[in-house]
Amino acid sequence: QLVLTQSPSTSASLGAAVKVTCTLSSGHHTYAIAWHQQQPDKGPRYLMQVNGDGRHSRGDGVPDRFSGSSSESGTERYLTISSLQSEDEATYYCQTWGTGFQVFGGGTTVTVL
Amino acid sequence: ESQLVESGGGLVQPGGSLRLSCVPSGFIFSDYWMSWVRQAPGKGLEWVANINQDGSQQYYVDSVKGRFTISRDNAKNSLYLQMSSLRAEDTAVFFCARGGQGKYTTLFDWWGQGTLVTVSS
Repeated sequence: QLVLTQSPSTSASLGAAVKVTCTLSSGHHTYAIAWHQQQPDKGPRYLMQVNGDGRHSRGDGVPDRFSGSSSESGTERYLTISSLQSEDEATYYCQTWGTGFQVFGGGTTVTVL
Repeated sequence: ESQLVESGGGLVQPGGSLRLSCVPSGFIFSDYWMSWVRQAPGKGLEWVANINQDGSQQYYVDSVKGRFTISRDNAKNSLYLQMSSLRAEDTAVFFCARGGQGKYTTLFDWWGQGTLVTVSS
């Protein structure tokens, strides 16, 4: 069963960098994922796609402070936000897909200190 | 710029029905898979249903199969979600989302702002 696992929360200081992790279930390490940002009381916003080889492609208008990567084993996908700003305080969701279905991770809330 | 605007949410009694609509703009609607995603209060995102470009394929999460129907009218540039036999656990904000252009659905690259559905007596 395809499952995405995320830590519930993380925090970092203004101007610092933060790394959010999405772990794919066993046997699914080749799957690409997407990252989405949801600010409080807003709809989600697509940030980028991250492939199993670590290549990523950002959505339109997404600042290059946001980058994606993958672990060597392929079981983890990362979203790194550098030069953290107050508006980056949000919940970040990973998403993947199969034939006819979509799966979301539980979301990671990033707090900017 | 692409835009998705949902409507049709509201308060409905358990067992009742409701139809949600999503109107896109800024892109060729008929080129894309479309989906509904929901978010219960204080919870994460949950995919609900997908529909392909010509409406010939629909997929649903198990919890809504037999109760919800996704459809689209490309001539009217509209996406719909007909919900029946609603339960308290269906209470959520429902988002319309744009999927891929290919033969298979992929990631969501555009989202609406959502419409709130509350199921309560």
